[in-house]
Amino acid sequence: KNEVEQSPQNLTAQEGEFITINCSYSVGISALHWLQQHPGGGIVSLFMLSSGKKKHGRLIATINIQEKHSSLHITASHPRDSAVYICAVRYRNNDMRFGAGTRLTVKP
Amino acid sequence: DGGITQSPKYLFRKEGQNVTLSCEQNLNHDAMYWYRQDPGQGLRLIYYSQIVNDFQKGDIAEGYSVSREKKESFPLTVTSAQKNPTAFYLCASSILYAGNTIYFGEGSWLTVV
Repeated sequence: KNEVEQSPQNLTAQEGEFITINCSYSVGISALHWLQQHPGGGIVSLFMLSSGKKKHGRLIATINIQEKHSSLHITASHPRDSAVYICAVRYRNNDMRFGAGTRLTVKP
Repeated sequence: DGGITQSPKYLFRKEGQNVTLSCEQNLNHDAMYWYRQDPGQGLRLIYYSQIVNDFQKGDIAEGYSVSREKKESFPLTVTSAQKNPTAFYLCASSILYAGNTIYFGEGSWLTVV
């Protein structure tokens, strides 16, 4: 069982839909990252969270430390949002663990 | 611009050959990492380094070797001992402390033929 569980594994949406991707982890962490992997393979960091909520453009990330759960939301989704979204947790010893990713396809 | 450069992007290797993947960063980061990504699995740590001339094995280090002779460089050698080397390899770096963002390279696709 992966220490970091993401759901869903695959998600197809129509342009304009509100999207939610979930991430659960099993032990205490120092930070949680949401990453975006493009079709070519490169990864960019979207958010780093240790509590509360962050917003950047149409993307919103939240974390509930007590419930060990985080969500990534995309408002007014667009085909260019199509990518794999990866949740990663960082422990206090600097070790990181990654979810298997959620493949998002947004259709025009 | 600051960033991480991996090369080559695509590499084909014959069975029994060693190959070296390059990773260079100009972000002045102390920590560098090598990850392997297989379909349907999360990234798995191969090796990491927190300081020059020192590195530690990750979860799947067998069949791989690294060096850290310079702060900005962390090459990964996939040796012939790695039984299933065909995969996507990602290099990353970060400031040492846990509360900082991690930066990734564009990745290298290795195929054994």
